[in-house]
Amino acid sequence: DVKVTQSSRYLVKRTGEKVFLECVQDMDHENMFWYRQDPGLGLRLIYFSYDVKMKEKGDIPEGYSVSREKKERFSLILESASTNQTSMYLCASSLTSLNTGELFFGEGSRLTVL
Amino acid sequence: AQSVTQLGSHVSVSEGALVLLRCNYSSSVPPYLFWYVQYPNQGLQLLLKYTSAATLVKGINGFEAEFKKSETSFHLTKPSAHMSDAAEYFCAVGSSNTGKLIFGQGTTLQVKP
Repeated sequence: DVKVTQSSRYLVKRTGEKVFLECVQDMDHENMFWYRQDPGLGLRLIYFSYDVKMKEKGDIPEGYSVSREKKERFSLILESASTNQTSMYLCASSLTSLNTGELFFGEGSRLTVL
Repeated sequence: AQSVTQLGSHVSVSEGALVLLRCNYSSSVPPYLFWYVQYPNQGLQLLLKYTSAATLVKGINGFEAEFKKSETSFHLTKPSAHMSDAAEYFCAVGSSNTGKLIFGQGTTLQVKP
């Protein structure tokens, strides 16, 4: 089975702190994604990557950056956390093309910014 | 631009009753359509997907969805609800234009004993 592992299930940070969210997948998938999940808004795409060192902005990239130095690892970075970034963050990966293939999700990282 | 609308943020049914979760989409090109489920404290997992083959798609756990182009709908159904079906359900649309999946707002399904 494909496994997508997010390093932290729950984090509490203070405004202005730098936050790293790590995601690792074990099935050699080309594509990796970071989504943000908020009640009533569904999932919104922050960034995605279709290859090592490649990244593309999603629908809400402001305030975030990403890093993909190795194929299996995709990191989301909040340079200076703000309270409006309190949310559930979901990482996902897929093998085939972005829009036709199944996404495999991690269990999520719930971030609270105080 | 593509979009997905899920009608009803909360749906409540009795155990054994029909489940109907509604999804309408807009897409200027033939869409790829998906339903995902999220159980409490877990990530999302794929229930089923439509990729222009049969219009009636069968998924896991007894769920199915019918693609109706004339109605731009992809509603999810299950004949008889189980308590274990209580979860949040997301409809999503993808296209070759954007190369991305767009998710709906989600519908929380409550199953009453």
